[in-house]
Amino acid sequence: QKEVEQDPGPLSVPEGAIVSLNCTYSNSAFQYFMWYRQYSRKGPELLMYTYSSGNKEDGRFTAQVDKSSKYISLFIRDSQPSDSATYLCAMSHGDSWGKLQFGAGTQVVVTP
Amino acid sequence: GAGVSQTPSNKVTEKGKYVELRCDPISGHTALYWYRQSLGQGPEFLIYFQGTGAADDSGLPNDRFFAVRPEGSVSTLKIQRTERGDSAVYLCASSSRGSRSYQETQYFGPGTRLLVL
Repeated sequence: QKEVEQDPGPLSVPEGAIVSLNCTYSNSAFQYFMWYRQYSRKGPELLMYTYSSGNKEDGRFTAQVDKSSKYISLFIRDSQPSDSATYLCAMSHGDSWGKLQFGAGTQVVVTP
Repeated sequence: GAGVSQTPSNKVTEKGKYVELRCDPISGHTALYWYRQSLGQGPEFLIYFQGTGAADDSGLPNDRFFAVRPEGSVSTLKIQRTERGDSAVYLCASSSRGSRSYQETQYFGPGTRLLVL
């Protein structure tokens, strides 16, 4: 079983809808939680990061971490066609900050 | 340069051949990371460098894979006796210091698409 699980989708939503993405994980040592966006044939780009539990908001993006449930979420409000991409969750812990553990990625399609 | 660059962007080789993939990190970044991304999967960690030394090479799948960073800047990932299962996108990332006490943002390059026939 993988340490980080993420539904691959695809997830199709109409423009303006809220996109809801999530990951579960099994390693309780994870402390940093990140969301990356990856466009086709490009490298991942960091969107949000959260240390330990809690919520973080940045513009249209909200990241939530529930360490007790080992569950993290990303919400995208007022979705745009330009948000169509693959969203990857990633995690790390203090024994090896450099080693990011990624989920499989969820493909999101926002239709005009 | 403005970002992480990787060359070549695409590489096609035959089973059993040797390949080298190059990564140029963001100028001044001392930490460098290699990941491998198979189709439909997230990136899988291979190795990370602090300066010239490998701080964590636990993700290298076997002894056919080797990476170097001799001057603490450019890095080369070397794959010997390539196999069809090595086909993937090889991603490189860099961060400013590779802190041991907190997570730094890793900035990714566009990747090298390796196809082993």
